[in-house]
Amino acid sequence: ETGVTQSPTHLIKTRGQQVTLRCSSQSGHNTVSWYQQALGQGPQFIFQYYREEENGRGNFPPRFSGLQFPNYSSELNVNALELDDSALYLCASSFGTGGLYEQYFGPGTRLTVT
Amino acid sequence: AQKVTQAQTEISVVEKEDVTLDCVYETRDTTYYLFWYKQPPSGELVFLIRRNSFDEQNEISGRYSWNFQKSTSSFNFTITASQVVDSAVYFCALSESTDSWGKLQFGAGTQVVVTP
Repeated sequence: ETGVTQSPTHLIKTRGQQVTLRCSSQSGHNTVSWYQQALGQGPQFIFQYYREEENGRGNFPPRFSGLQFPNYSSELNVNALELDDSALYLCASSFGTGGLYEQYFGPGTRLTVT
Repeated sequence: AQKVTQAQTEISVVEKEDVTLDCVYETRDTTYYLFWYKQPPSGELVFLIRRNSFDEQNEISGRYSWNFQKSTSSFNFTITASQVVDSAVYFCALSESTDSWGKLQFGAGTQVVVTP
């Protein structure tokens, strides 16, 4: 196990609602990245937080937002949920930012939007 | 455009057979990193290996080995003497230096099924 935890494990929401997903990074890691994985596809990068600041963002709309806290844990918020937001959401923590550092993933949160 | 291509959707083998997973990548960066991750049915992505673009030396780590060839933009991964526990989806990923934050760009994955 990587030491990265995510909550909740599963979540069912209705279209238009808002959701918050949580991630606790591995001890000593200051960087958290979030990925969305649709069924049967590879993960897609949403954004990254480094020392409490958004450090990079993928091709996702502004209704996807996040936070990182002083203890380096992080939240992913999604507003105005759409059916296509149904996916496995993975967070990954690392010692730093950049490809030099391996990203260690949590078990994911499976979000279903009905 | 997809920067990482894993052409094999699924590979089925019998235990103890070797499995080679293909990965072709596309980048204009001279500095980049390549990764292999394993995703068992539990869903958690498990880091396996990382190579940087300046190190084409191919290595073996236990039952895992990889073949990195910049000339063909390929980064293939082999599991020797497969075991049932190797059954999972395997992802190849690219991190480009132009993405200073180390964004991982994944391929579509290859499902490996190992039967006893």
